[in-house]
Amino acid sequence: GAGVSQTPSNKVTEKGKYVELRCDPISGHTALYWYRQSLGQGPEFLIYFQGTGAADDSGLPNDRFFAVRPEGSVSTLKIQRTERGDSAVYLCASSSGQGPYEQYFGPGTRLTVT
Amino acid sequence: GENVEQHPSTLSVQEGDSAVIKCTYSDSASNYFPWYKQELGKRPQLIIDIRSNVGEKKDQRIAVTLNKTAKHFSLHITETQPEDSAVYFCAARDNYGQNFVFGPGTRLSVLP
Repeated sequence: GAGVSQTPSNKVTEKGKYVELRCDPISGHTALYWYRQSLGQGPEFLIYFQGTGAADDSGLPNDRFFAVRPEGSVSTLKIQRTERGDSAVYLCASSSGQGPYEQYFGPGTRLTVT
Repeated sequence: GENVEQHPSTLSVQEGDSAVIKCTYSDSASNYFPWYKQELGKRPQLIIDIRSNVGEKKDQRIAVTLNKTAKHFSLHITETQPEDSAVYFCAARDNYGQNFVFGPGTRLSVLP
């Protein structure tokens, strides 16, 4: 079946602009995660959804970052007033939400802020 | 919150030799420990995982061991092949938030 997909695959934006990154999880997966991965580092947790609600948003670095999942499927990560330090690969992952806990990653969106 | 450390940061082995990567975690309530392989420019892929009620799990050339008392777990790859070359990440699942905390990664190079 279809895996996790993310769009766009690459996004270049100017400092100060607003961006939206989209994630389509595996069908039927209730849990959805957003991570940020900088070069040479492990994925850094941003936010976790169980269904439509954000169960844990403790990883969001500041109030410029926001994510939604209005219908419990597709999720959008929104970044306002982008800064050069936001440049990274943004990964989305989904899992069934209950045991087993395996999460499956999307290909990521490479965000570059110039 | 959970903190995961991983060693070594880089590892080079000869083809056919074994490779071992070790991780420690801080939260004794963590109960699920996956390992991911990430090739350059690709997404992380789950290669093996272990739950806290099991001490060891094996899948062909890959095995993972867990020591709950010491709060560490290890990835063992036997008979390494050049295609095993990649960055490997361990992770621990936080029991409260259900989010995953990743280690910093180990770059494994298998030399032919």
